[in-house]
Amino acid sequence: KQEVTQIPAALSVPEGENLVLNCSFTDSAIYNLQWFRQDPGKGLTSLLLIQSSQREQTSGRLNASLDKSSGRSTLYIAASQPGDSATYLCAVREGGSEKLVFGKGTKLTVNP
Amino acid sequence: EAGVVQSPRYKIIEKKQPVAFWCNPISGHNTLYWYRQNLGQGPELLIRYENEEAVDDSQLPKDRFSAERLKGVDSTLKIQPAELGDSAVYLCASSLVYRREGLTDTQYFGPGTRLTVL
Repeated sequence: KQEVTQIPAALSVPEGENLVLNCSFTDSAIYNLQWFRQDPGKGLTSLLLIQSSQREQTSGRLNASLDKSSGRSTLYIAASQPGDSATYLCAVREGGSEKLVFGKGTKLTVNP
Repeated sequence: EAGVVQSPRYKIIEKKQPVAFWCNPISGHNTLYWYRQNLGQGPELLIRYENEEAVDDSQLPKDRFSAERLKGVDSTLKIQPAELGDSAVYLCASSLVYRREGLTDTQYFGPGTRLTVL
């Protein structure tokens, strides 16, 4: 059974700092990996999607990497801003399935 | 373009009462998902529809939960009777799956319905 783990569970940083969120998964037979953002009381917003054949994806200040063989992904946020404060969720789509398996998320607080 | 719409946004009921949640997916999306998210956890899939057909309901507690997607558009998720442990956020998502090409667009999530069972 696929399990997704995110470390740390919570992170507080001062504005302007670069930071890394970590995600690991137990079964490397994935179709893709996705990073989502969830604001309080709201649904999930997709940030980056990395196909299993890719190594990384970038969008603005965000960069996500994928090492499928080791079962790891990182989300790098450059020059963090208070507006980046949210919970970040990692999810893997299992091969041959439409099912997403989520981690518990990392709650990020960026202090002005 | 409107996103995924869910209603109600909040619901408080007493245990043993029935409750229903409604979801309107993004226009043209053929696949609809219901997830349950407990506090401090990631979402867990309850059921997935492709058009009108439920293709994955292995995680749906069928003794008290039911769902339908009439005409392959809107969907309703029902709990009867509700239990204390059902308190959670129920998320609906939709996507466009190109079955023949084996391609899937990303899933787009609604804001969720927060259920509190007293």
